[in-house]
Amino acid sequence: QQQVKQSPQSLIVQKGGISIINCAYENTAFDYFPWYQQFPGKGPALLIAIRPDVSEKKEGRFTISFNKSAKQFSLHIMDSQPGDSATYFCAASLYGQNFVFGPGTRLSVLP
Amino acid sequence: DTGVSQDPRHKITKRGQNVTFRCDPISEHNRLYWYRQTLGQGPEFLTYFQNEAQLEKSRLLSDRFSAERPKGSFSTLEIQRTEQGDSAMYLCASSLGDRGLDTQYFGPGTRLTVL
Repeated sequence: QQQVKQSPQSLIVQKGGISIINCAYENTAFDYFPWYQQFPGKGPALLIAIRPDVSEKKEGRFTISFNKSAKQFSLHIMDSQPGDSATYFCAASLYGQNFVFGPGTRLSVLP
Repeated sequence: DTGVSQDPRHKITKRGQNVTFRCDPISEHNRLYWYRQTLGQGPEFLTYFQNEAQLEKSRLLSDRFSAERPKGSFSTLEIQRTEQGDSAMYLCASSLGDRGLDTQYFGPGTRLTVL
């Protein structure tokens, strides 16, 4: 019940395209859903996060779409750039305590 | 530098040895988390502290692992009698911990290699 599933495992997008990564969770008690970006040799860095009382949140080129009834949320990266090439992790937590991470999506943006 | 720092960045040890890692969180952050990350996987939660109190431990944290945060500031993670399966990146993160301020800030990690 604590698992977070993430797809696809890897994604290749042309520069300027839209990257979409999907996650699904099981525990309906989760109340915080962040997305992290990680470059090789670095720790994850928060990109954007959402709470289940809103269905969408946008920050710059990054948008989270949240579907509470389906227990799914997704990250959209608009106008993808080569500098966005990294591994992306979705996560879920309850009261900011035990964070459960998805297995990650390796994004490659081709120039 | 006001970010989360971890020391050492890399540690190579022989099987059976004990190792200790240190994490210095962002000052005034009440919560401190330890994670383990293996290649190609997401971080796996190990434990977290609210100030100096260790509030939750994962079942992944065997008896060989112990973590402390004695004064509610820096934290240490010790692994006793290391095994090859302990080879991983150990990540520390901190957050303010107040409701609505759950943002975790991660350190650069300590990469452990057990020979």
